[in-house]
Amino acid sequence: RKEVEQDPGPFNVPEGATVAFNCTYSNSASQSFFWYRQDCRKEPKLLMSVYSSGNEDGRFTAQLNRASQYISLLIRDSKLSDSATYLCVVIIRSGGSYIPTFGRGTSLIVHP
Amino acid sequence: DADVTQTPRNRITKTGKRIMLECSQTKGHDRMYWYRQDPGLGLRLIYYSFDVKDINKGEISDGYSVSRQAQAKFSLSLESAIPNQTALYFCATSTGTSETGAYNEQFFGPGTRLTVL
Repeated sequence: RKEVEQDPGPFNVPEGATVAFNCTYSNSASQSFFWYRQDCRKEPKLLMSVYSSGNEDGRFTAQLNRASQYISLLIRDSKLSDSATYLCVVIIRSGGSYIPTFGRGTSLIVHP
Repeated sequence: DADVTQTPRNRITKTGKRIMLECSQTKGHDRMYWYRQDPGLGLRLIYYSFDVKDINKGEISDGYSVSRQAQAKFSLSLESAIPNQTALYFCATSTGTSETGAYNEQFFGPGTRLTVL
């Protein structure tokens, strides 16, 4: 089983819709969590960190559920410009170090 | 100017050739990483370095080697390129953990598209 799993999608939604993605992780000792956004074959960029208490940034809300070992990303009032791949990143202990492990990404397509 | 740069941006080479991909950063970060991305497989970690004297293998290090020449430079080499190393390669940097122990974000270069024929 892959350590970080995401539904690859694509999620195809109309403008204005609300869409949610989940990401599950297998290592219960994971410490830090992030959502990155990647536009077509460009470099990933940080969208938001995910805090234990949940956090919101405008139309985006991220939540962490440690008991069930998943993080989520909610996008409200989707815009055409939200079309991208969303990468879940979990910091996992490997050997003596904590290193970032990426999910395969979830593709979002927002259409008019 | 970009904070994390990669050269070359595109490279086409033949099986068996030695290839070096270079990464430079002006962010002053200690940590540097090399990833490859294949369609449908996300980013997979090849090597990482937490400081100049520290080099660690990632998930898929076979067939690759790295050199950390300075804090700002981290090179990835393919000693004898093979077609299944055709991929998009990203370099990334980060600081260490924060005061709370939380991991800090990574900053990525623009990527190198490598094709091995």
